[in-house]
Amino acid sequence: KAGVTQTPRYLIKTRGQQVTLSCSPISGHRSVSWYQQTPGQGLQFLFEYFSETQRNKGNFPGRFSGRQFSNSRSEMNVSTLELGDSALYLCASSPATGTNSPLHFGNGTRLTVT
Amino acid sequence: QKEVEQNSGPLSVPEGAIASLNCTYSDRGSQSFFWYRQYSGKSPELIMFIYSNGDKEDGRFTAQLNKASQYVSLLIRDSQPSDSATYLCAVKVERTALIFGKGTTLSVSS
Repeated sequence: KAGVTQTPRYLIKTRGQQVTLSCSPISGHRSVSWYQQTPGQGLQFLFEYFSETQRNKGNFPGRFSGRQFSNSRSEMNVSTLELGDSALYLCASSPATGTNSPLHFGNGTRLTVT
Repeated sequence: QKEVEQNSGPLSVPEGAIASLNCTYSDRGSQSFFWYRQYSGKSPELIMFIYSNGDKEDGRFTAQLNKASQYVSLLIRDSQPSDSATYLCAVKVERTALIFGKGTTLSVSS
């Protein structure tokens, strides 16, 4: 079974631009979560989607948004990029949203904002 | 605010020793506890998870949970250099997101 696929792997953008990251979950997984990972803050939760509905949202500004499609694929968008948005963005999928559903991570998208 | 605390390390152990990684959490409603391993430059990979008080063993790994003390640990027996990585503890409360600690760096010397 194929794992979580994230594209692109690397991105370089300049301040003020916007970016869209894509995530294809493991086949059969309906829940997708997004995390931002930086050396100083660790893994910080962005949002969680299940059946095209946002179930949870982290403490990030409105410049960060996401969505999930009917095939469970998900995208996240960051508008008006800032230098501090440079990070590894990780997508993870699970079969459901319950407490007994571990997350399985993709390889991430490394975003560099210059 | 829900918090998951881990000692950042580095925790250094010789090859063949037992490595003990600890994690505390603030939310008494926490129901599920996960351990992930992350190699440098890679994404986190699930090692094991535990829901009930007590111990759960999987190969060289043992997870221990004490809900009264809000404490979860991971023991790695017969540590190998390939176990050198950052270990992330994660905690989930029903209907909320999985919250991660900042991780403990483990170094196993041969």
